[in-house]
Amino acid sequence: AQKVTQAQTEISVVEKEDVTLDCVYETRDTTYYLFWYKQPPSGELVFLIRRNSFDEQNEISGRYSWNFQKSTSSFNFTITASQVVDSAVYFCALSTYGGSQGNLIFGKGTKLSVKP
Amino acid sequence: DTGVSQDPRHKITKRGQNVTFRCDPISEHNRLYWYRQTLGQGPEFLTYFQNEAQLEKSRLLSDRFSAERPKGSFSTLEIQRTEQGDSAMYLCASSLGRTGDEQYFGPGTRLTVT
Repeated sequence: AQKVTQAQTEISVVEKEDVTLDCVYETRDTTYYLFWYKQPPSGELVFLIRRNSFDEQNEISGRYSWNFQKSTSSFNFTITASQVVDSAVYFCALSTYGGSQGNLIFGKGTKLSVKP
Repeated sequence: DTGVSQDPRHKITKRGQNVTFRCDPISEHNRLYWYRQTLGQGPEFLTYFQNEAQLEKSRLLSDRFSAERPKGSFSTLEIQRTEQGDSAMYLCASSLGRTGDEQYFGPGTRLTVT
């Protein structure tokens, strides 16, 4: 079975704090892809990053960084020096060749509130 | 370069009525997906098209739901005999055409069934 778990339902931080959003996935496929999306209050899902299962290198993009660890089936997302504009619901998602045929399996999301 | 567009953005209908939503994907994208999102949940897959062929349908897609992508461009999602449980945000996404390609989402159509 394919599954994505985001155990943190809501996180509240003060501006400039660092925050990590957790994502744990389950799949029996050896080839799969992991994604993070941001859904701001306006509602439109915004693509942030994609990783494939063969590339465990961590990635940094500005204040955003992602840590992919196959050993723990985790793909965590860290925002450094958070800003009010980072307030949104963040979704982790999984796509596989075998189980999902390419469609995305989403976690339930983590609502991040960044207070000034 | 325009993104994915959806129409209408909001739809209020009475139980038992039929509704149809439209999605226009990014022009060079071959795959088009429909998802449904309810409050506090992540999007759930409904169906997808590779060009004009509907390749997969979720168990969530009851026989009251039908989707088409007649010429491999825009797509429509129709719900017949709507029920209150159909109230949700209906999201459309498109991607280049391979499993694993990132999907770009439209703004969604919010359906309210009264």
